[in-house]
Amino acid sequence: QSALTQPASVSGSPGQSITISCTGTNSDVGGYNYVSWYQQHPGKAPKLMIYDVSNRPSGVSNRFSGSKSGNTASLTISGLQAEDEADYYCSSYTSSSTWVFGGGTKLTVL
Amino acid sequence: EVQLVESGGGLVQPGGSLRLPCAASGFSFSYYAMSWVRQAPGKGLEWVSAISASGGSTYYSDSVKGRFTISRDNSKNTLYLQMNSLRAEDTAVYYCAKHTNSWTVIDYWGQGTLVTVSS
Repeated sequence: QSALTQPASVSGSPGQSITISCTGTNSDVGGYNYVSWYQQHPGKAPKLMIYDVSNRPSGVSNRFSGSKSGNTASLTISGLQAEDEADYYCSSYTSSSTWVFGGGTKLTVL
Repeated sequence: EVQLVESGGGLVQPGGSLRLPCAASGFSFSYYAMSWVRQAPGKGLEWVSAISASGGSTYYSDSVKGRFTISRDNSKNTLYLQMNSLRAEDTAVYYCAKHTNSWTVIDYWGQGTLVTVSS
């Protein structure tokens, strides 16, 4: 199972919006609405930000949103804040009853 | 509050074995599927293995299939990962993770335990 494809890095200024893409195949991202997004600060455990493509867990800011088109899912963060600077990972359930993660995207808030 | 506490990590020689326990609290452990996910130093997340709430179904990534075994003791609220025939590429922080009511979503993670495979 190959990792999902994410850009290595993205950046934006405070208040701006950024979008992180996550590309898979028909066997994972494209085949199911089971894409999740995780935020990970250095030395910390990942935190669930989005599940089932576009749902936010309670307590997650509505500045975070998710979507999907075909084999590509996207995470959008609006109104960028300094504390959003972190690594972001997408994940998808697969047709093999396994899970696959993306390679991760480092978000820098300028 | 959900708490997942991994232990058992350390330095092991190539070809050796290690068993990682994960103590769970703050939720009804026996009702939820669980996973192990690892992260090599400076690298991304890699799903390793999952187990159903009852323990009757288990799943593995191709990279560990035949070498690692996931299990759980619902009477002790503990998840395990038995790792055999360890290789240098198994060096990573190993996270214990809880699924939601939906088998397809992982929502909570422990703080991880570092496993280093080296001679």
